[in-house]
Amino acid sequence: AQSVTQLGSHVSVSEGALVLLRCNYSSSVPPYLFWYVQYPNQGLQLLLKYTSAATLVKGINGFEAEFKKSETSFHLTKPSAHMSDAAEYFCAVSGATGNQFYFGTGTSLTVIP
Amino acid sequence: DTEVTQTPKHLVMGMTNKKSLKCEQHMGHRAMYWYKQKAKKPPELMFVYSYEKLSINESVPSRFSPECPNSSLLNLHLHALQPEDSALYLCASSQDDAGTSGNTIYFGEGSWLTVV
Repeated sequence: AQSVTQLGSHVSVSEGALVLLRCNYSSSVPPYLFWYVQYPNQGLQLLLKYTSAATLVKGINGFEAEFKKSETSFHLTKPSAHMSDAAEYFCAVSGATGNQFYFGTGTSLTVIP
Repeated sequence: DTEVTQTPKHLVMGMTNKKSLKCEQHMGHRAMYWYKQKAKKPPELMFVYSYEKLSINESVPSRFSPECPNSSLLNLHLHALQPEDSALYLCASSQDDAGTSGNTIYFGEGSWLTVV
């Protein structure tokens, strides 16, 4: 079975500071892992996706995530937070049968000016 | 910009009304989804269509009725809804069906539904 756990439902950072959003996965098969962002009153937008091609995955808007099998983690980072990064972030894992996505509970990111 | 288009963006309906949500994608995807999302919660899967056939129904009440007229279109017919059904309804699509793992799911902007 596949699942993801996001630690911290709310994260606040100062503008210009490092952003770190945590995601740990559980999977009985090599996982496909995703980070999505949801801006207020919008749908979900794909930030990045891990497919086993490389452990460090670069996404849009300066975000990246590193797959660490030993820690079963796929944390999302950005070196310098921008006000426009304030949003809800969801980690997700794809099930063994592609149509099933398992979302984490989400992390709300606040950026303080 | 999302390539999954949903209409209407906002819908207010009474508990005795019949309405529909519509979704369209032109990416050639063969799997389409309906999700329901409450505020500050992750999306909850409702239905999956694969190659225009319903492949997953997550025990959704019959007052929600999905329809897939063709590979590009997905509808969600609504009838006799309850106030607790008020939520953001997200349509999504992906390239392939259950046979392949790791397909990216692309979401539309959603339809905000309020049941009064």
